[in-house]
Amino acid sequence: DTAVSQTPKYLVTQMGNDKSIKCEQNLGHDTMYWYKQDSKKFLKIMFSYNNKELIINETVPNRFSPKSPDKAHLNLHINSLELGDSAVYFCASSQAQAGAGEQYFGPGTRLTVT
Amino acid sequence: GEDVEQSLFLSVREGDSSVINCTYTDSSSTYLYWYKQEPGAGLQLLTYIFSNMDMKQDQRLTVLLNKKDKHLSLRIADTQTGDSAIYFCAESRDTGRRALTFGSGTRLQVQP
Repeated sequence: DTAVSQTPKYLVTQMGNDKSIKCEQNLGHDTMYWYKQDSKKFLKIMFSYNNKELIINETVPNRFSPKSPDKAHLNLHINSLELGDSAVYFCASSQAQAGAGEQYFGPGTRLTVT
Repeated sequence: GEDVEQSLFLSVREGDSSVINCTYTDSSSTYLYWYKQEPGAGLQLLTYIFSNMDMKQDQRLTVLLNKKDKHLSLRIADTQTGDSAIYFCAESRDTGRRALTFGSGTRLQVQP
């Protein structure tokens, strides 16, 4: 019954590796997002997809590549991981043009790069 | 540019009211939100307010918006220890982009 789910919840990996984080929503929303929360709890938008189309791509290294196979899924692939990539990554979804377009967040994936 | 600011820390006693403040700079902000984050957890949407409103009440929560001063506040009545968390204000614009711009978060500590 989880509305927005992410896997894995924790990810520990070494520098230089490639890893993926998966996100799924069962709310029927048409827009999904990836946010990054740093060690100081600051949250910043990374990407947004609307109906599988990329609509927001903030200043994020091109080592990060989002992929949306369908409206319910938005995965994040990260190549050549660096120490500075350590953070908590949150997926969110919303129905973009409906009212306040409230965004619902997943539980987060804590990525630790060693 | 977009900038949302909050004070970092607030401590209250159980049963008191808490008021968490937020200021923003983007005059085209359409919706303003309050999210709660408990330790190790995701963000829980508490409430939101449309920019043409000045107040919204939802049970123990009261949101006040002063659009002229670009000031938003969240009042929690009868604060409980379970309210201890980080509270984020966020804004978005009605442009289809809809990404949230977050404040730095206010850590609320409720003392028994």
